[in-house]
Amino acid sequence: QKEVEQNSGPLSVPEGAIASLNCTYSDRGSQSFFWYRQYSGKSPELIMFIYSNGDKEDGRFTAQLNKASQYVSLLIRDSQPSDSATYLCAVNAGGYQKVTFGTGTKLQVIP
Amino acid sequence: EAQVTQNPRYLITVTGKKLTVTCSQNMNHEYMSWYRQDPGLGLRQIYYSMNVEVTDKGDVPEGYKVSRKEKRNFPLILESPSPNQTSLYFCASSLGGGQNEQYFGPGTRLTVT
Repeated sequence: QKEVEQNSGPLSVPEGAIASLNCTYSDRGSQSFFWYRQYSGKSPELIMFIYSNGDKEDGRFTAQLNKASQYVSLLIRDSQPSDSATYLCAVNAGGYQKVTFGTGTKLQVIP
Repeated sequence: EAQVTQNPRYLITVTGKKLTVTCSQNMNHEYMSWYRQDPGLGLRQIYYSMNVEVTDKGDVPEGYKVSRKEKRNFPLILESPSPNQTSLYFCASSLGGGQNEQYFGPGTRLTVT
């Protein structure tokens, strides 16, 4: 079982719709959860981070964390073609420990 | 400008020829890390460093070495590269450890023939 799992996609949504990206993790001791966006040929950049159960909103982005279910998600409202990218989920057990990434979900926003 | 730099950006080499990929950050970050990215396998952590002279293995350390003699630099060394180390490599840094945002360098595309 992979430590961090994501559906590779592609996930296709029409412009203006809500895109829902999901991630599950296996280490119950995980404490920090991140969503990075990576455009083709570019380096990853942080979109959201979340540490506590519940929702965290930043503009069009909402991260949701459920530690009991070991599940973290990213919602993108009013999706734009510029949101088309690969979204990477990353998990850390805290402190100066390793960071584990999922394989990423490719999102395509259709104009 | 706050940034992570990597050199070279592109490298083609032959099996067995030792090489070093440099990484430098100007943000005074304690935590630095190396990843490789392969299609279908995502980003996998090779080594990470919590501070000067303190390093630890990530998920795929075999065939790689690192050193952290200065806070700003974290070179990745391939003593005897093999074709299965052909990959896209990213260096990253963060303030205070893996629980914080990581800033990534632009990447180094390595081909070993």
